[in-house]
Amino acid sequence: ETGVTQSPTHLIKTRGQQVTLRCSSQSGHNTVSWYQQALGQGPQFIFQYYREEENGRGNFPPRFSGLQFPNYSSELNVNALELDDSALYLCASSLGGVRWNTEAFFGQGTRLTVV
Amino acid sequence: ILNVEQSPQSLHVQEGDSTNFTCSFPSSNFYALHWYRWETAKSPEALFVMTLNGDEKKKGRISATLNTKEGYSYLYIKGSQPEDSATYLCAYQGAQKLVFGQGTRLTINP
Repeated sequence: ETGVTQSPTHLIKTRGQQVTLRCSSQSGHNTVSWYQQALGQGPQFIFQYYREEENGRGNFPPRFSGLQFPNYSSELNVNALELDDSALYLCASSLGGVRWNTEAFFGQGTRLTVV
Repeated sequence: ILNVEQSPQSLHVQEGDSTNFTCSFPSSNFYALHWYRWETAKSPEALFVMTLNGDEKKKGRISATLNTKEGYSYLYIKGSQPEDSATYLCAYQGAQKLVFGQGTRLTINP
């Protein structure tokens, strides 16, 4: 058990819709990162939040956005869903930001299917 | 574009045998190299975070080495057991993010 939980575990949405995925980090972890894993690939970095502010972003369009809350929870929002957004979305919490070389603790992921 | 390559992509090993696989990563702007084990229907679990050239870490039957100058890391499993069946991911840590390889899927045959 990593102490990181994600909800929902599975989700089916229609193209063009909006979706919110949620993550509850380990208590005390001030950094959360979100990753997208498409079939057959490794996880791809979407963005990172450190102390409630975006602290780095991967090659994802602005319709991918996030929030981090003081209670160690966070959200990933995706607008105008496309078929290619179908993937497993992982959140990972850690302490001190990625520069501190600490291990990240992952949730089990949310499987999003866009039809 | 940062490229992290893992080989082989999949591997079948007989129970009791030892095995190893490779992670190649950029040698520039290096902060750390992470190894994760990911069992089906579970969360990825951190195995090692390695930062120093020549570093060697061990956890039970699993060990890893790191060469930051040439940009590679090896993961070794000694005396494979069925519970070692999983996907093993490495991730290069540069500035602000982890860049993952595509993983090595390991299956242990009883």
